[in-house]
Amino acid sequence: ETGVTQTPRHLVMGMTNKKSLKCEQHLGHNAMYWYKQSAKKPLELMFVYSLEERVENNSVPSRFSPECPNSSHLFLHLHTLQPEDSALYLCASSQDRGRAAGGPNEQFFGPGTRLTVL
Amino acid sequence: KQEVTQIPAALSVPEGENLVLNCSFTDSAIYNLQWFRQDPGKGLTSLLLIQSSQREQTSGRLNASLDKSSGRSTLYIAASQPGDSATYLCAVRGLTNFGNEKLTFGTGTRLTIIP
Repeated sequence: ETGVTQTPRHLVMGMTNKKSLKCEQHLGHNAMYWYKQSAKKPLELMFVYSLEERVENNSVPSRFSPECPNSSHLFLHLHTLQPEDSALYLCASSQDRGRAAGGPNEQFFGPGTRLTVL
Repeated sequence: KQEVTQIPAALSVPEGENLVLNCSFTDSAIYNLQWFRQDPGKGLTSLLLIQSSQREQTSGRLNASLDKSSGRSTLYIAASQPGDSATYLCAVRGLTNFGNEKLTFGTGTRLTIIP
């Protein structure tokens, strides 16, 4: 596997279910991100992790709970979601969380998980 | 707060034509600007990245320009092909209040190339 992978690709869940989204990066990067893409809205940054530490929570409701057990894996645990949480959830990674090392620090994106909350 | 606007929201052109997609942003304090392609239900594929000190970047039939002072970028696609049909997203890179990298995205232009 190369790049950034996400599983599952599609998920349908009820409002009372608990599920998790998984992201894995094979690029040796130190920073990982969760984004949400709702219909007709721009991608929104949700969380930023750097070296397994959460360094940013962009005012995301507590029903979304991220976890980063190591620098290659990122999870998004979901519980008691609402229908308006239905969206495409994208994971990305980059070399670092900021520009201290210089360079473009480009983010590489996974294919996303299409989430439908019934 | 950075805002990114892409015009038009949708565009249909016959195969073979050249076309231009537009992107504007409100805060010129950016590190770079990136153009992505997104196919329906899929993730993002990076097309071109322009550093803030650069004016343009080229890759094959694609050419992106950046005018940082006026807050504008264009993506030029030459000799369009049906395979170019996708949504094109513009994103500018800056920092959050916590010093983390942040990409601010536009809502995209949905491009359809008519065979």
